[in-house]
Amino acid sequence: NAGVMQNPRHLVRRRGQEARLRCSPMKGHSHVYWYRQLPEEGLKFMVYLQKENIIDESGMPKERFSAEFPKEGPSILRIQQVVRGDSAAYFCASSPSGLTGNTIYFGEGSWLTVV
Amino acid sequence: SQQGEEDPQALSIQEGENATMNCSYKTSINNLQWYRQNSGRGLVHLILIRSNEREKHSGRLRVTLDTSKKSSSLLITASRAADTASYFCATDAKETSGSRLTFGEGTQLTVNP
Repeated sequence: NAGVMQNPRHLVRRRGQEARLRCSPMKGHSHVYWYRQLPEEGLKFMVYLQKENIIDESGMPKERFSAEFPKEGPSILRIQQVVRGDSAAYFCASSPSGLTGNTIYFGEGSWLTVV
Repeated sequence: SQQGEEDPQALSIQEGENATMNCSYKTSINNLQWYRQNSGRGLVHLILIRSNEREKHSGRLRVTLDTSKKSSSLLITASRAADTASYFCATDAKETSGSRLTFGEGTQLTVNP
């Protein structure tokens, strides 16, 4: 049973370009979470999605960031017109349901560097 | 305000010693989880303790939870150099949706051989 798969693991973008990060949840998991980790800090919640629905996007910056989890295919976190402050590790996690008390499983992360 | 704050921020011990990390939080929770992160890697789930539990063990790990003080501790016994990592507590607050977690800033543990 493969774990949460994220790609790319490392991504370098110039300021103003777009970054697309992909996440395939664990088999049988229909709930996906995206977190951001700045250097030397803890993870900060960004968005919680189910298939075709955004459940909670209270942690997402209002501009330039968007997320989707289509019926088919991976979840995508998209950052438009990246700036240096977007440089961070972006982690995806999944759980089998939205019930509290579930262990959520994290991917290895995507490290974005904006130059 | 930050939910889930660990202390100490950094801890350095010798192999064989015990390591204790503490976590405080601010709101009512459903459960609290501890994760480990090696440098440049993802998070590995260590243990989950529910709000109605006071203590839980898993191998060399012992976690306590005091909901009246809104605090938790993680004890690693007989530490090994391979335990060197950052350790994060994460809370699943009652008022948030799904299994959304709020993380602390972490404790960087260094175990010297």
